[in-house]
Amino acid sequence: KAGVTQTPRYLIKTRGQQVTLSCSPISGHRSVSWYQQTPGQGLQFLFEYFSETQRNKGNFPGRFSGRQFSNSRSEMNVSTLELGDSALYLCASAYTGTLSYEQYFGPGTRLTVT
Amino acid sequence: AQSVTQLGSHVSVSEGALVLLRCNYSSSVPPYLFWYVQYPNQGLQLLLKYTSAATLVKGINGFEAEFKKSETSFHLTKPSAHMSDAAEYFCAVIRGVNNNDMRFGAGTRLTVKP
Repeated sequence: KAGVTQTPRYLIKTRGQQVTLSCSPISGHRSVSWYQQTPGQGLQFLFEYFSETQRNKGNFPGRFSGRQFSNSRSEMNVSTLELGDSALYLCASAYTGTLSYEQYFGPGTRLTVT
Repeated sequence: AQSVTQLGSHVSVSEGALVLLRCNYSSSVPPYLFWYVQYPNQGLQLLLKYTSAATLVKGINGFEAEFKKSETSFHLTKPSAHMSDAAEYFCAVIRGVNNNDMRFGAGTRLTVKP
């Protein structure tokens, strides 16, 4: 099976702009979660989508939003970018049909805000 | 609330020596615990998981971890370090069934000296 893919891999944006990141989960996985990784804060949970619905949400401002499509692909949007949004954004997919809690991570999108 | 604490942000071992990376969890219910590895400029790869089955869990690349309820620990070990083991390691816990909000430790960077 193909792994989790994320596009683009690298992105440079200017403060105040908005950005959309894309994640394609492993085939058959219906859960997609997003994480932000920074040197200072480490890995932080943004939100999880399951069957096109946001199921869980972390402690991030409303500038961070997401959605999931019927094919389980997910997008994350950040509006009004700030310098502090520079980070590696990781997407993870999971199959929640059984008692298996493994999440499989993509390579990430490295966002730089200047 | 469930959380994990990794003791030691940096660990250095010689090639062939024992690797021991420490993780303690805080959980009011039986946790689901994971160890992930991250190589530079890559996403996270699952090493192993504990989901209330055997307390000694074997993972990939020769790693294993032992769940000790009395010590609230889930330390990662490998008998003999290899140069290719140099990476960052994360201990993680999820909040429960139907909740893929995964909480990560701060990470431990493993250096392997020749």
